[in-house]
Amino acid sequence: GAVVSQHPSWVICKSGTSVKIECRSLDFQATTMFWYRQFPKQSLMLMATSNEGSKATYEQGVEKDKFLINHASLTLSTLTVTSAHPEDSSFYICSARDRGGANNEQFFGPGTRLTVL
Amino acid sequence: AQTVTQSQPEMSVQEAETVTLSCTYDTSESDYYLFWYKQPPSRQMILVIRQEAYKQQNATENRFSVNFQKAAKSFSLKISDSQLGDAAMYFCATFGNEKLTFGTGTRLTIIP
Repeated sequence: GAVVSQHPSWVICKSGTSVKIECRSLDFQATTMFWYRQFPKQSLMLMATSNEGSKATYEQGVEKDKFLINHASLTLSTLTVTSAHPEDSSFYICSARDRGGANNEQFFGPGTRLTVL
Repeated sequence: AQTVTQSQPEMSVQEAETVTLSCTYDTSESDYYLFWYKQPPSRQMILVIRQEAYKQQNATENRFSVNFQKAAKSFSLKISDSQLGDAAMYFCATFGNEKLTFGTGTRLTIIP
């Protein structure tokens, strides 16, 4: 089946630094990737939709200058949290839609736990 | 706009018994899909079952089935013969306007 990987699986950083999270579709091409944030014991909230070769579309309330998204190829999207602060600590999950798939199914990565000290 | 409501924060069921998780939704889309996802302690999201809104027949996947009531905007998940491995958070979601919108989740506990 379709596999999506994320790297790193967890990261700890100091306040003010930037962190990059990678999302890769391993066995399919993904024209669209999605980035979600999940706070403890809460649901997944869509942050942005990333289309290969074009600018990401951000959800209301998500700062595009803080959460930089790049989708340079059909198998890779990156999320960079710039100048991270403790309130950015969360679980970040990406998903990818199979370019050749049906039923609008999204395949999810295993997530990245970000802790900002 | 889409909203998804899961009114049961927690549910528990005896092993081998049947449990039903509730979900209601609202959407302005005429063409949409509905999903149930499972999130075990590993936090990996796993698709349990999907339903195309234009199909009247309820979807089934082995021990998992849905009761889709389009007019009532209800999409409940029935788990038959519950197993210990079914313990997880379950999220109901709608896909419309190119977005997945999730409910707040139901934590399912399986009692041995």
